[in-house]
Formats: sequence, C-alpha cells, structure tokens
Amino acid sequence: TQLLEQSPQFLSIQEGENLTVYCNSSSVFSSLQWYRQEPGEGPVLLVTVVTGGEVKKLKRLTFQFGDARKDSSLHITAAQPGDTGLYLCAGGRDYKLSFGAGTTVTVRA
Amino acid sequence: DVKVTQSSRYLVKRTGEKVFLECVQDMDHENMFWYRQDPGLGLRLIYFSYDVKMKEKGDIPEGYSVSREKKERFSLILESASTNQTSMYLCASSSLGQGRTPHEQYFGPGTRLTVT
Repeated sequence: TQLLEQSPQFLSIQEGENLTVYCNSSSVFSSLQWYRQEPGEGPVLLVTVVTGGEVKKLKRLTFQFGDARKDSSLHITAAQPGDTGLYLCAGGRDYKLSFGAGTTVTVRA
Repeated sequence: DVKVTQSSRYLVKRTGEKVFLECVQDMDHENMFWYRQDPGLGLRLIYFSYDVKMKEKGDIPEGYSVSREKKERFSLILESASTNQTSMYLCASSSLGQGRTPHEQYFGPGTRLTVT
C-alpha cells in the first residue's frame, strides 16, 4: 500500500498549457520533497517544503504544502518540452523518505 | 559537482546467483540508501545506513543484505537472485537532517538488473 498517492499517474499536454500534480496522504510528514526524474537518470530534488501552508516558487513551478502537512501539489505554468519527466513526491519522517508512485508528464511541442 | 556513482548501469544475472551492487558517493555524507524502482510502485526503500557499519531495514529488506565498511561506499547484496528481483536499483546519499527532517537525497543513475 502506497503511503503517498499521486495523481494523475500520466499527464500529456501541449506546450504552453498549465498542469497540476497532486500528492495526498493520510499521514503527517515533517517535510515534503518533490523530485524530477528523466529517463536513464536518478531523481533530482526540485524543492523541499516544511511548513504547513507553505508555498514555494521555482520559475514556472509552484509547490504548495497542505495546512495539515498531509498533502502537496505541484503546478507548472506554461509547460515546455523540457518539463517532460517523472515527478515524484516524497514525505519525510524519522530520517527517511516515503515516495509516491510518480506522475509521468509529457509536454508535446 | 556532487556525485553518486553505481558500479553498473545494466546487469543480467541468472536465478540463484549472488549479486553485488556497489555505490560510491564523494560528498562525505553520513546517510546512504538503497531503493528499488518498479513501474506504478515508485521508489521503495530496501535498506539504509546512517553511519559506517550501521544499517537499518527499510520497507522491503527480504532477500537483500547490505554492507558499509567505509563511509563513501554502500553495497547491496542479493544472496540468491530471483526473477522477482528484476528491477531498477537506485542508490542515494544525504547529509544528516535537522531533527528528524530528512535532507535532500542525491541519487546515482541506477542499475537495471535483470534476473533470468
């Protein structure tokens, strides 16, 4: 059973469109991390959020941590083909991370 | 430039063979992790180590063991490989977190293991 549920599992959009990926859990986490993984590579950290209600922006990416620290979302504005990849959320607790199954995002030119 | 390297990108082994996967990090990190990644299941933690010669079981340790004799090196061992261990194996390292909050993990490129 996945501790963190990500939705949708797959997302295919046209360049310039917006998208949102969700990460939900019934458990509380001390932090929430988002990673992006490209084919043939390991995941690379995009952002860490630690405070309930926190919003962080990274250029066209906006990350939000739920007030109760159980859920998070990633919003991409005006997606570009370079945003294509597998997006993984990971909840931090007791020195370890629990990962969601991931959302595969494809941005078509 | 920080780096986590894994000994092989692709590996094919036969059922029953003993398999060693090696991971080396050059960041002087205390923590090291082994995950397996399968489609639709995300990354699942097999074992982790927070210090030399220290190890703790993750969520799916059955059929695996680990060794950490030096700070920079963390090995994953499949004592007797089975077909259900065919997967992508990812190694990661991180510094100590503040309190119980995990720090950023740096990942290697992964080893795709096929057991036939």
